Amino acid sequence: NAGVTQTPKFRILKIGQSMTLQCAQDMNHNYMYWYRQDPGMGLKLIYYSVGAGITDKGEVPNGYNVSRSTTEDFPLRLELAAPSQTSVYFCASSSGGESQPQHFGDGTRLSIL
Amino acid sequence: GQNIDQPTEMTATEGAIVQINCTYQTSGFNGLFWYQQHAGEAPTFLSYNVLDGLEEKGRFSSFLSRSKGYSYLLLKELQMKDSASYLCAVRDSNYQLIWGAGTKLIIKP
Repeated sequence: NAGVTQTPKFRILKIGQSMTLQCAQDMNHNYMYWYRQDPGMGLKLIYYSVGAGITDKGEVPNGYNVSRSTTEDFPLRLELAAPSQTSVYFCASSSGGESQPQHFGDGTRLSIL
Repeated sequence: GQNIDQPTEMTATEGAIVQINCTYQTSGFNGLFWYQQHAGEAPTFLSYNVLDGLEEKGRFSSFLSRSKGYSYLLLKELQMKDSASYLCAVRDSNYQLIWGAGTKLIIKP
């Protein structure tokens, strides 16, 4: 029972490079989320999805893109990496029920130099 | 704007009881969650409150007062493994979670 799996765990990028953060869940959850967590700050929602083929912007979407072609996968793409995108990125999923919590992956620690 | 306030850091002694407070001002309210996050790890779910009152789950309890925009997490019989950050999150009118910055709890022997 893997839950939510994120890859890679660590990555260093140069300014202007692109990369995709992978996220997969095996719980058949419709709802999936991408957050970033910066020191001393609460988690900030980047993008979310309520089902395959449906995505929407969160609080801090600039500089990122997502797609949701299957229920299981929700990749996050950085097109032109900037130092301000240095952060820890968490993917989460939930069944969407009122009392149902979000389940988190182990995170991707990304540094832009 | 929307705001979740928690103390930045708290210290407690092994075996004791600690209360971590959370106050919120959000556009709408559709439930409050508490998560635990050990350093370098993912947040894990602890509790959920949507109605006023106390929810008890083993050594952990969570309280909610919607009229006061206030919740607390109560941890009893503290163990060293309880050293972690505790995150308060409120689901707003758009059913999105608004997160506090977390309270770092340090347990001393």
